[in-house]
Amino acid sequence: QKEVEQNSGPLSVPEGAIASLNCTYSDRVSQSFFWYRQYSGKSPELIMSIYSNGDKEDGRFTAQLNKASQYVSLLIRDSQPSDSATYLCAVNFNKFYFGSGTKLNVKP
Amino acid sequence: GAVVSQHPSWVICKSGTSVKIECRSLDFQATTMFWYRQFPKQSLMLMATSNEGSKATYEQGVEKDKFLINHASLTLSTLTVTSAHPEDSSFYICSARGTGAAYEQYFGPGTRLTVT
Repeated sequence: QKEVEQNSGPLSVPEGAIASLNCTYSDRVSQSFFWYRQYSGKSPELIMSIYSNGDKEDGRFTAQLNKASQYVSLLIRDSQPSDSATYLCAVNFNKFYFGSGTKLNVKP
Repeated sequence: GAVVSQHPSWVICKSGTSVKIECRSLDFQATTMFWYRQFPKQSLMLMATSNEGSKATYEQGVEKDKFLINHASLTLSTLTVTSAHPEDSSFYICSARGTGAAYEQYFGPGTRLTVT
């Protein structure tokens, strides 16, 4: 079992809709959780971090963490074509583990 | 804050030659840096963890004699691909661990290596 799992997608949503990206992880002692965005041909960019159960909002982005279910998600409100990218979930437990990423397509 | 640079951004070299890639944390000190490789349409693959002043820790399957890592200061780590071959052509990305309690990683812009 992989430490961090994501659906590879692609996830297609229309412009203006909410995009929901999900991630599960295997280790219960994980403390820190991150979402990165990677455009094609570019390196990952940190967009959100979350450490406590519940929601954390930053602009159009909301990260949700449920440690009991070992689940972290990222919601993107009012999705824009410029949000089209691969979103990587990362979990820090002793070591940094990345998921394989979910490709998001926002259609105009 | 938390800016990481890489140089060069792209490089083409001939088979058998060596290439050095630099990774710098510009506005913070990074005791730990990471080197990743990414092939087209594939996920990031961690190659090694670089700690300032000590030997790098390589992931299983990564040849330490081929991928030489030096973390000589708190702001600079270098990756040297020795005796490069066409199969080493890839996108090499470094990251630096932040100073916050969560140890988030900040990525450099990457170096695209093409070996002919």
